[in-house]
Amino acid sequence: DSGVTQTPKHLITATGQRVTLRCSPRSGDLSVYWYQQSLDQGLQFLIQYYNGEERAKGNILERFSAQQFPDLHSELNLSSLELGDSALYFCASSVEGQGFGELFFGEGSRLTVL
Amino acid sequence: GEDVEQSLFLSVREGDSSVINCTYTDSSSTYLYWYKQEPGAGLQLLTYIFSNMDMKQDQRLTVLLNKKDKHLSLRIADTQTGDSAIYFCAVVNQGGKLIFGQGTELSVKP
Repeated sequence: DSGVTQTPKHLITATGQRVTLRCSPRSGDLSVYWYQQSLDQGLQFLIQYYNGEERAKGNILERFSAQQFPDLHSELNLSSLELGDSALYFCASSVEGQGFGELFFGEGSRLTVL
Repeated sequence: GEDVEQSLFLSVREGDSSVINCTYTDSSSTYLYWYKQEPGAGLQLLTYIFSNMDMKQDQRLTVLLNKKDKHLSLRIADTQTGDSAIYFCAVVNQGGKLIFGQGTELSVKP
């Protein structure tokens, strides 16, 4: 158990819909990262927050947004969903904002868009 | 930009050694990492190596780093069926982002 909790574990929805994925980082970790894992793209970095502020941005679509709340949990919002958004979305956390790369990953939220 | 490449699949027999390779285009990373993803689980840090080292050994794991060729490898000695998983190489780029390779799926046959 990494200490990172993600909900929901599985989600099935239709194209055009909007979903919210939630992540609770390990106790004491200030940084939260979101990754998308798909068969054709591998593991893609989406976005990172550190202590409530956006720290780094990766290949995140404009239809996607995220935020980190004062209690350090984070949400990833995916809107106007397309078939190609079907993937496993991972949240990870770390103590540091950057530098050392030991991230602790949740088990992922599997999104299926029909 | 940062690019990390790995072969996608590797199949070995139980008891053999496994070698998983990774190349990267550029890295200012002080550390280079190997993560392991077991079926149905998230990634977990397996081992890492400082960029000023050539080799690191940790029980059955040996990490080799060739900075000149930008090549990182992970050797698993006496591979067991429980080692079957996806192994990801990762480096930190100049922007501080951890960039992962595509992952190598290791299949260990009894």
